[in-house]
Amino acid sequence: DVKVTQSSRYLVKRTGEKVFLECVQDMDHENMFWYRQDPGLGLRLIYFSYDVKMKEKGDIPEGYSVSREKKERFSLILESASTNQTSMYLCASSPTSGGFPYEQYFGPGTRLTVT
Amino acid sequence: GQNIDQPTEMTATEGAIVQINCTYQTSGFNGLFWYQQHAGEAPTFLSYNVLDGLEEKGRFSSFLSRSKGYSYLLLKELQMKDSASYLCAVTDSNYQLIWGAGTKLIIKP
Repeated sequence: DVKVTQSSRYLVKRTGEKVFLECVQDMDHENMFWYRQDPGLGLRLIYFSYDVKMKEKGDIPEGYSVSREKKERFSLILESASTNQTSMYLCASSPTSGGFPYEQYFGPGTRLTVT
Repeated sequence: GQNIDQPTEMTATEGAIVQINCTYQTSGFNGLFWYQQHAGEAPTFLSYNVLDGLEEKGRFSSFLSRSKGYSYLLLKELQMKDSASYLCAVTDSNYQLIWGAGTKLIIKP
């Protein structure tokens, strides 16, 4: 079974703090993704990575950065947390099929509250 | 722009059949996914369609018409545990997933 784990299920941080969200997958997938999910909106892609040390901006990268130093680990960093970053954060990984990313496997999510 | 539309909420009765529709307008098409997401949990994969037609997997079936930009997820013999949100997602020409907002399905006894 593919397993994607995230460092915390719930997190409460103060405005201005630097926040690290960690994601680890155990299936040697090339591709990893960070999304945020808010009520009434679809999953919105923040950043993704197709390989170690490689990153690409998604639809809403502002206020976020990422790091992928090892294949299995993809970290999301909020440089200076703000209240509008209160959300559910989902990490996903996917294999490459025929040279392209395929089905995504999701971690349990981190519900971040910024006060 | 790219857009995926699905109903916000649907209600159905245990044991019945329900069809959840998804229409999309994307720059290119490289496949359509359906995911199930129970409240407070991560989405889990249900089905993938890349060619027109019906894909059946147990109680769940998914249909695709590329010419109409349309898909549906059909759930038969509904069970209470099917109460969840159902997410439609389309892979565009850049192989990026575009997600719908999801359909919350409520099952009543």
